[in-house]
Amino acid sequence: EVVLTQSPATLSLSPGERATLSCRASQSVSSYLAWYQQKPGQAPRLLIYDTSNRATGIPARFSGSGSGTDFTLTISSLEPEDFAVYYCQQRNHWPITFGQGTRLEIK
Amino acid sequence: EVQLVESGGGLVQPGGSLRLSCATSGFSFSNYIMNWVRQAPGKGLEWVSYISSSGSAKQYADSVKGRFTVSRDNAKDSLYLQMNSLGAEDTAVYYCARQGYDYWGQGTLVTVSS
Repeated sequence: EVVLTQSPATLSLSPGERATLSCRASQSVSSYLAWYQQKPGQAPRLLIYDTSNRATGIPARFSGSGSGTDFTLTISSLEPEDFAVYYCQQRNHWPITFGQGTRLEIK
Repeated sequence: EVQLVESGGGLVQPGGSLRLSCATSGFSFSNYIMNWVRQAPGKGLEWVSYISSSGSAKQYADSVKGRFTVSRDNAKDSLYLQMNSLGAEDTAVYYCARQGYDYWGQGTLVTVSS
C-alpha cells in the first residue's frame, strides 16, 4: 500500500499569505496525485488532479506541482474561505490511498 | 446538474448488515466508474470500493474485503454497498463519488454500536 504523508499537520496563516502544503508518497505514484479540500460537515471537493490540473471551477490561486514521490499544493494568496482541511490522494496503485490531511487554520 | 444522494445509513448492532444506496442524476451513469469512500468521525478519508461502468470489475480495501459488496444498477442510475459483519471500526460517513472524484454525495452516517 502506498502511504501518503502530509506536512505540516496544521498550518497557521493569515488571509493574503501564501500557503504551501506537502504530500510525500512511500513509492512513486507517477503524476496520479490529487488534492481535495474539506470543510466541516461537507463532502470533500476536488481541487487538483493529475498533479497540476485544476478541477472545474477551482480558482487560479490553487496550483499543484511535483512528480514521483513529492508533491505540493500552493495557495498563492489565502482567502477566508480557504481555511479548511486538505487531503492528497494517489490513484496510481491499488488500493487508492489518501494522506492524513493538513489543517489550514487562521492565525 | 450532477447529483449523488446516498441513503441507507443508520444505527446497526455489531455483526449486523446494512445496504447503502447512491442515487444519481444529471449524467450518463452507465458510462462512469463509481467509488465508495468513508470517513470515521474526526478522522481522514479512506477509499472503500470501486466498480467499473459495466459492473464487471470491482476492487475493495483490505479492511472491507470479504464483508462488503459493491454493485450497481445502470437501469436505475444507482450504486449500492452491501455491508455485512459490521464492526465498530466501520462507523463512518460513507460517500459515493463519481469517476475522477469530481462529484461526491453528501454522505450517509453508519453507526455500529450495541
